[in-house]
Amino acid sequence: ETGVTQTPRHLVMGMTNKKSLKCEQHLGHNAMYWYKQSAKKPLELMFVYSLEERVENNSVPSRFSPECPNSSHLFLHLHTLQPEDSALYLCASSQRVRGNYNEQFFGPGTRLTVL
Amino acid sequence: AQSVAQPEDQVNVAEGNPLTVKCTYSVSGNPYLFWYVQYPNRGLQFLLKYITGDNLVKGSYGFEAEFNKSQTSFHLKKPSALVSDSALYFCAVGERNAGNMLTFGGGTRLMVKP
Repeated sequence: ETGVTQTPRHLVMGMTNKKSLKCEQHLGHNAMYWYKQSAKKPLELMFVYSLEERVENNSVPSRFSPECPNSSHLFLHLHTLQPEDSALYLCASSQRVRGNYNEQFFGPGTRLTVL
Repeated sequence: AQSVAQPEDQVNVAEGNPLTVKCTYSVSGNPYLFWYVQYPNRGLQFLLKYITGDNLVKGSYGFEAEFNKSQTSFHLKKPSALVSDSALYFCAVGERNAGNMLTFGGGTRLMVKP
């Protein structure tokens, strides 16, 4: 897990707060991802940044805003969240080669609680 | 469109017995397949993958998986389960050379009892 780090590991925020989640990968990969993992739900892909392309899941609300300043860093900006947004947010990275997305390496996640 | 199914929410097995966690997939072209494991409050860890070649793939911690094209399956197996294998297991599929991202299954919780 040291290849992909996430901070903070735990976050409690009110619905009116603004916060950001940070992810950093030390693997030299060219693709980074945000996933949401809720209890009893499959992994939900939220955003992908790959080779300066951004792909997003259209079902993700606009209160989640990603930022990828370079290939090693990924942020998820949060504002006016709802209690149902409480979940484990996972960051991952992989190497995209000739269109193929290879195995992803995950960070430990940020456990988010929205009060 | 690609999809992956893990038909069992939970698998229970006694320590020392063989275990199987099932996965079936659907892709238009040639698949590449992965298994991941997740321990409590941790991210997913890569276990093994199938791209091409030998249908039996060996991975970390004594796990292996068999790619079966005719049955579109990629079941995860281990000859002798350990209590420490208890975790959440995810299967994932992608389509080779299609530029598609991986699709993950819903996960199967493996419980190994002493």
